[in-house]
Amino acid sequence: QQQVKQSPQSLIVQKGGISIINCAYENTAFDYFPWYQQFPGKGPALLIAIRPDVSEKKEGRFTISFNKSAKQFSLHIMDSQPGDSATYFCAASAAGGTSYGKLTFGQGTILTVHP
Amino acid sequence: DVKVTQSSRYLVKRTGEKVFLECVQDMDHENMFWYRQDPGLGLRLIYFSYDVKMKEKGDIPEGYSVSREKKERFSLILESASTNQTSMYLCASSLTDRKYQPQHFGDGTRLSIL
Repeated sequence: QQQVKQSPQSLIVQKGGISIINCAYENTAFDYFPWYQQFPGKGPALLIAIRPDVSEKKEGRFTISFNKSAKQFSLHIMDSQPGDSATYFCAASAAGGTSYGKLTFGQGTILTVHP
Repeated sequence: DVKVTQSSRYLVKRTGEKVFLECVQDMDHENMFWYRQDPGLGLRLIYFSYDVKMKEKGDIPEGYSVSREKKERFSLILESASTNQTSMYLCASSLTDRKYQPQHFGDGTRLSIL
């Protein structure tokens, strides 16, 4: 049972283009939505995160858009660069109670940015 | 910087063997996690620990156990390895004292069961 569904599985973008990765979740208790970036041979690292009290968060070229009513959130990478080529994971967490910060991850998107 | 170190980058074992994967973090984090990463499935939580000697099952605990005797070390044990446990295994740690703490990952152990 995959509680966070991510698409597309792979994405090819030209340098300078916009990369968009989408995620949908089912559990309405989720209240924290991070994105992780993973380069080959490395573990995932936190890229950007959002809480549902805002609809958008921007950090440099990376923006998360969040739609609480639709239970969807997405990552936009503006002016995509070859160095952005990596695997991206969306995730979700219910921060309260005994969750201990457990994350439920999406299936991952392999992004390739061509020069 | 937080450092999470996994003892082996690559490991090859045979079916039926007992396999130990070790993880050490250097930032005094309370929470530690073991995931397996498979193409098209993302990261799936096997077990996690929120304190020494405390553990809870994740989403796919079958065939695995864990040990946390010291705060900085979290071990994943495959009791009797099977070929369907061939995968990339990732360890992570995080703080507990505030909400929304990021998880810090090691670089993974690629385990092959022959």
